[in-house]
Amino acid sequence: AQKVTQAQTEISVVEKEDVTLDCVYETRDTTYYLFWYKQPPSGELVFLIRRNSFDEQNEISGRYSWNFQKSTSSFNFTITASQVVDSAVYFCALGTGGFKTIFGAGTRLFVKA
Amino acid sequence: DVKVTQSSRYLVKRTGEKVFLECVQDMDHENMFWYRQDPGLGLRLIYFSYDVKMKEKGDIPEGYSVSREKKERFSLILESASTNQTSMYLCASSRLLVAETQYFGPGTRLLVL
Repeated sequence: AQKVTQAQTEISVVEKEDVTLDCVYETRDTTYYLFWYKQPPSGELVFLIRRNSFDEQNEISGRYSWNFQKSTSSFNFTITASQVVDSAVYFCALGTGGFKTIFGAGTRLFVKA
Repeated sequence: DVKVTQSSRYLVKRTGEKVFLECVQDMDHENMFWYRQDPGLGLRLIYFSYDVKMKEKGDIPEGYSVSREKKERFSLILESASTNQTSMYLCASSRLLVAETQYFGPGTRLLVL
């Protein structure tokens, strides 16, 4: 079975705090892709990152960083020095051998000023 | 920039009405998708299409149909709307490659009374 679990339903932080959003996936495929999308209040999901299963290097993009660990089937997302504009719902997703993508339930992040 | 547009941001319909949700993308993508988003359930795939006039059922196709007469346009049809179809509907498109990044429209929030 293929599944994505985002155990944190909602997280609330104060501006400038660091926050990590957890993502655990399940798949038996050896080749797969992992994604993070951001959904701001406007509603449109915005692509953040896509990683394939053979590339376990961590990635940093500005205040965003991603930690991919195959040993624990996790692909966690950290926002450093959070800002109010980071408030959104964040989705982790899994793509395997097809066109379908499996999304987690999402984590709603509130960043308070 | 990929642009995916949806015909309405908000829609209110009555039970039993036939409802059309339209989606247009301007990047010549082969794949198009319809999802519904409900709190705590993430995004669930209703239907997708990988070519004109081709369609595949997703995870929750019951009560829905789709139409893809032109490459850029993918319509979702609720044959007889019911209250349990009240939801946010998201359209997405991607290139015809395995587990490709999807680009989303702004969503249509449908209320069925």
